[in-house]
Amino acid sequence: AQTVTQSQPEMSVQEAETVTLSCTYDTSENNYYLFWYKQPPSRQMILVIRQEAYKQQNATENRFSVNFQKAAKSFSLKISDSQLGDTAMYFCAFMKGPQGGSEKLVFGKGTKLTVNP
Amino acid sequence: DTAVSQTPKYLVTQMGNDKSIKCEQNLGHDTMYWYKQDSKKFLKIMFSYNNKELIINETVPNRFSPKSPDKAHLNLHINSLELGDSAVYFCASSRQGALRPQHFGDGTRLSIL
Repeated sequence: AQTVTQSQPEMSVQEAETVTLSCTYDTSENNYYLFWYKQPPSRQMILVIRQEAYKQQNATENRFSVNFQKAAKSFSLKISDSQLGDTAMYFCAFMKGPQGGSEKLVFGKGTKLTVNP
Repeated sequence: DTAVSQTPKYLVTQMGNDKSIKCEQNLGHDTMYWYKQDSKKFLKIMFSYNNKELIINETVPNRFSPKSPDKAHLNLHINSLELGDSAVYFCASSRQGALRPQHFGDGTRLSIL
């Protein structure tokens, strides 16, 4: 079974600075996908960024980028120029390659990020 | 306008009661899911349906019964509610295929008294 570990239960950063959230995972699969989801206090689950394991290039979405190290099974999220609206729980998630409709997300326990003014 | 909508948003009820949570998506997706988020914020898959067919059932007690009348709806019925069922329940949907992102509803907070 796959497991996802987020070793930082809580982090804080000053507005406009850069912060990196850690995520490691354990799998014997070769074809899989990794995601970061954000859950602000409003409780919504919002997809931040996604990465295919077969792609060497790290995914980026505006101020959000990942450092994907496949051999180390590591998938960290970097947030640049942090904004107050980035305050949220961040969840790292794993999904096995296409399973014919059974593509479930396996989540880590989350990192609570607070951006301070 | 809402892509994945769940009703109700909040549900407070007594132990032993039976309750349902409804979920509808207007995205044309063929796969729908139920996730449970416990008091420590841990999210875990419960069920998934693909084209109205049950695909994933993650060792959830049989007091929980999902029902998918059509591809756009996946409801969750819970019998004989217990204190441990208190959680936030999220519905999600996606097109089939792993990199198709799952779109989540706003969650239903279920509180058992």
